[in-house]
Amino acid sequence: DTAVSQTPKYLVTQMGNDKSIKCEQNLGHDTMYWYKQDSKKFLKIMFSYNNKELIINETVPNRFSPKSPDKAHLNLHINSLELGDSAVYFCASSFPGLAGAQGQETQYFGPGTRLLVL
Amino acid sequence: AQSVAQPEDQVNVAEGNPLTVKCTYSVSGNPYLFWYVQYPNRGLQFLLKYITGDNLVKGSYGFEAEFNKSQTSFHLKKPSALVSDSALYFCAVRPPYSSASKIIFGSGTRLSIRP
Repeated sequence: DTAVSQTPKYLVTQMGNDKSIKCEQNLGHDTMYWYKQDSKKFLKIMFSYNNKELIINETVPNRFSPKSPDKAHLNLHINSLELGDSAVYFCASSFPGLAGAQGQETQYFGPGTRLLVL
Repeated sequence: AQSVAQPEDQVNVAEGNPLTVKCTYSVSGNPYLFWYVQYPNRGLQFLLKYITGDNLVKGSYGFEAEFNKSQTSFHLKKPSALVSDSALYFCAVRPPYSSASKIIFGSGTRLSIRP
């Protein structure tokens, strides 16, 4: 019954490797997000997709590439991992805002993927 | 620039006492305001939001928040704290009328309720 799920839950890898994190939601939402939470718990948006179309693309290294095969999935691929990429990555989803009401949407978060780069 | 501030890293309250977690914002126009809670090793969970209307918003688990436009604040409150309320609380702000606008989270306040 998990609403927003992420795999893997934990990811330990060496610098320079390429890795992917997968996210799936079964809530019927059209909009999905990726967030990064650093060791000080600061939470920052990275990307947002609406119905497979990229709508928010924050200033993140181009080593990070989101991919949305369908509106229920948003995966995050990271190339050439660096020590500073170590963080918890959260996926989230929401319904798209109705006309005139965009921005009101509640976001539903996944449990997070704890990435440690050694 | 749009921003949201949570001035307290940690708030300590005895069980049964009222609690307040502070949040102030700086956004042009009338923003949408949110509170989310994060329990250990979990994702964020929605608590409540202010869109328009009554300044006092009631949410999950007995929490409420008061929107104060003149002070640009949206403090989270609960009349009687429970030990199970101990968690990390995030205030968030989002400019209105744009699904392409990003939500901005505060730095978080760790709430600790002692028995």
